[in-house]
Amino acid sequence: GNSVTQMEGPVTLSEEAFLTINCTYTATGYPSLFWYVQYPGEGLQLLLKATKADDKGSNKGFEATYRKETTSFHLEKGSVQVSDSAVYFCALSPISGGYQKVTFGTGTKLQVIP
Amino acid sequence: ETGVTQSPTHLIKTRGQQVTLRCSSQSGHNTVSWYQQALGQGPQFIFQYYREEENGRGNFPPRFSGLQFPNYSSELNVNALELDDSALYLCASSLEGGSHYNEQFFGPGTRLTVL
Repeated sequence: GNSVTQMEGPVTLSEEAFLTINCTYTATGYPSLFWYVQYPGEGLQLLLKATKADDKGSNKGFEATYRKETTSFHLEKGSVQVSDSAVYFCALSPISGGYQKVTFGTGTKLQVIP
Repeated sequence: ETGVTQSPTHLIKTRGQQVTLRCSSQSGHNTVSWYQQALGQGPQFIFQYYREEENGRGNFPPRFSGLQFPNYSSELNVNALELDDSALYLCASSLEGGSHYNEQFFGPGTRLTVL
């Protein structure tokens, strides 16, 4: 079946540091890939997505590139802010299958300190 | 445009009881999915409804059931509650066949505690 593996947290960075959160996946075909963010006490918000190989999703300074050859979708940001502190989830959704089941990773908690 | 809303925000039940959680989809969305998120874990897919029919289900027992109404709002029912059912329950809506196919929009969740 489909699965998503992301790096263990928590990740603690100083403000303005470079961020990378690794994500790899297992799936048949060409799933859509997502990064969701969850702030404390809230639901999930879609951060960015990519629907085919070599696509780059980007939003709010975050980027991730769909790498079919390495089955990866690593999240990066050049300069993190305290307000980026949250839990980040990598996820995939198959294009086929008749329904839109999203498979999530276990989440990576990011803490940015001033 | 109204986002996804869920009620109640928090709920405390005892083992063996039954619970109903509610979700209102984002305006224009015809598909709703439910997820269970245990503390410190990623969301796990429970099931999905499209046009009032269940069209996909994850690895959850039959005591987890649902409904979708003509206005696309939805309910999640859990019977015979167990301690392990304590979790955040998330509802997500999406538009089947739209330009943002398989992009789901999540509500804030209902925190269920089973004692």
